[in-house]
Amino acid sequence: ETGVTQTPRHLVMGMTNKKSLKCEQHLGHNAMYWYKQSAKKPLELMFVYNFKEQTENNSVPSRFSPECPNSSHLFLHLHTLQPEDSALYLCASSQDTGGPYSNQHFGDGTRLSIL
Amino acid sequence: AQKVTQAQTEISVVEKEDVTLDCVYETRDTTYYLFWYKQPPSGELVFLIRRNSFDEQNEISGRYSWNFQKSTSSFNFTITASQVVDSAVYFCALSPNTGNQFYFGTGTSLTVIP
Repeated sequence: ETGVTQTPRHLVMGMTNKKSLKCEQHLGHNAMYWYKQSAKKPLELMFVYNFKEQTENNSVPSRFSPECPNSSHLFLHLHTLQPEDSALYLCASSQDTGGPYSNQHFGDGTRLSIL
Repeated sequence: AQKVTQAQTEISVVEKEDVTLDCVYETRDTTYYLFWYKQPPSGELVFLIRRNSFDEQNEISGRYSWNFQKSTSSFNFTITASQVVDSAVYFCALSPNTGNQFYFGTGTSLTVIP
């Protein structure tokens, strides 16, 4: 039990589909993150939310659209993705951003495959 | 530039051997935090340690130890008496104190052979 739950675990979609990834944390944290993990590449931080406000968007294409309705839930809406978007998408949370409160707790990830 | 380099892509050791995973970082910030995470085959990253840039004291936790050397911008991780359960991918990460960014290395895949 990680405290950070991601659904679905696996997702296969066509390039024209629209789907959403969901992340829920049960740790009482205020910050949530989306990462992309591709083979042979460093984890790429995509978005950061702190107290439901987006604080970082690392030049992510607009076909990825995050949503954070509250501090416990984070979504990643997907539409018209490309084959190179196939990857493991990891959600994380931390008590706060920055410094001593930034230990991140990760979910198991969603393995996304674009056909 | 902000960057983390883990030059070792894959390491294999025989059980009970000691192994050191290297991490070299670059940052222009004077205050920053360094992390190590473990990613077992199940996929979930597990937090191992956080170190701030003002604390260069080495740390030991059971079979794990970390050597932070600011002079060489390195934060190496040693596992003593390795066990099969240590087999995983290990990531080093950097978070500057300004902003909310995290920079991960490409990871080192460790295989411990029984």
